Amino acid sequence: EPEVTQTPSHQVTQMGQEVILRCVPISNHLYFYWYRQILGQKVEFLVSFYNNEISEKSEIFDDQFSVERPDGSNFTLKIRSTKLEDSAMYFCASSDALYNEQFFGPGTRLTVL
Amino acid sequence: LAKTTQPISMDSYEGQEVNITCSHNNIATNDYITWYQQFPSQGPRFIIQGYKTKVTNEVASLFIPADRKSSTLSLPRVSLSDTAVYYCLVGEQTGANNLFFGTGTRLTVIP
Repeated sequence: EPEVTQTPSHQVTQMGQEVILRCVPISNHLYFYWYRQILGQKVEFLVSFYNNEISEKSEIFDDQFSVERPDGSNFTLKIRSTKLEDSAMYFCASSDALYNEQFFGPGTRLTVL
Repeated sequence: LAKTTQPISMDSYEGQEVNITCSHNNIATNDYITWYQQFPSQGPRFIIQGYKTKVTNEVASLFIPADRKSSTLSLPRVSLSDTAVYYCLVGEQTGANNLFFGTGTRLTVIP
């Protein structure tokens, strides 16, 4: 069964550093998403991406965040200058229907020290 | 935006049927009801989606009454591995409401 993969599984960084989280969506999916989940809290939507453009973003997705599909397989989330409060699990998801039946990856645990 | 209300937590013994109800009093005509499951330290997993009456798949059943103001996710004969958080989302099939997860229902299955 095809699945979404994410790397790394765990990233530790110093406050103020840039991080790039990587995702490989399911190959025939056209819609891509990033979510985050702070420990013990709910899953929060960050951004959706389609046709090389952001289609929807939340208030959380401010100028510190950016997304990119650098090639035909990868989908990345960049945090420019990490803050302590960025520590969370970051989930990538993809779907073949807009906003519907999303397939989630295993997540990247980001720890900002 | 159709708001959903679910119990915060539920406990069940192994082998029992579990029913988790979601209230969505202001559901709109074009809205569907979607359930996701999230195991600890994993991403959510789509379980089932429905519009009205009953939908069944290999994992669960979804019961939706005629007024569609609530829905019930039914898990037959739960096992310990069904311990997870279950989320109810309401929105158009291609609507942005499907991007927003609530706090969900934490189901704990007890041996």
